[in-house]
Amino acid sequence: DTGVSQNPRHKITKRGQNVTFRCDPISEHNRLYWYRQTLGQGPEFLTYFQNEAQLEKSRLLSDRFSAERPKGSFSTLEIQRTEQGDSAMYLCASSLIAGGFGDEQFFGPGTRLTVL
Amino acid sequence: QQPVQSPQAVILREGEDAVINCSSSKALYSVHWYRQKHGEAPVFLMILLKGGEQKGHEKISASFNEKKQQSSLYLTASQLSYSGTYFCGTTVHFGNEKLTFGTGTRLTIIP
Repeated sequence: DTGVSQNPRHKITKRGQNVTFRCDPISEHNRLYWYRQTLGQGPEFLTYFQNEAQLEKSRLLSDRFSAERPKGSFSTLEIQRTEQGDSAMYLCASSLIAGGFGDEQFFGPGTRLTVL
Repeated sequence: QQPVQSPQAVILREGEDAVINCSSSKALYSVHWYRQKHGEAPVFLMILLKGGEQKGHEKISASFNEKKQQSSLYLTASQLSYSGTYFCGTTVHFGNEKLTFGTGTRLTIIP
């Protein structure tokens, strides 16, 4: 078990460009979450999947953001027409939902996006 | 609204104890505690479910008062490695586990 991995770790792009990030969860985990974190703040929920189904998307997320999790394995987060306000750390977390217990979410190292 | 944590920051000498509080205005199902070091991902510490339980992990323990919608994290005999920013993450009902993170508490341990 190598934990949650994310690629790339850093991305610098120009305003208006599209970017795509990838997250590989812990192999047996059925839930996958995307969060965004800006400096000095806690992570902010973006969206989450159970297997391949996207169950919820934050109202704060504009139409420029889209996420997929084909076949319930890895996930991608795409941002179209990036803006400077999109600069942040994008964190992925995964968990295993089983029975009636709480959901321990394990985070990946994140992708730091800088929009120039 | 995001949970409010207190204190915002605290500086301790190695070996001292600390308490970090997390308060929510909403009825909670669970409280999760994470520690994050600068430039790194949040690291899971523990989860407390509705029921007022207290959990412990070596010298770190936590409690959850569901009547007050509050949780407290207790760090005893702090070590240098405890330095970082602590976040509580809360959920409001079983089945929807998106975390709403608190305002954070920066803990600095000095030798």
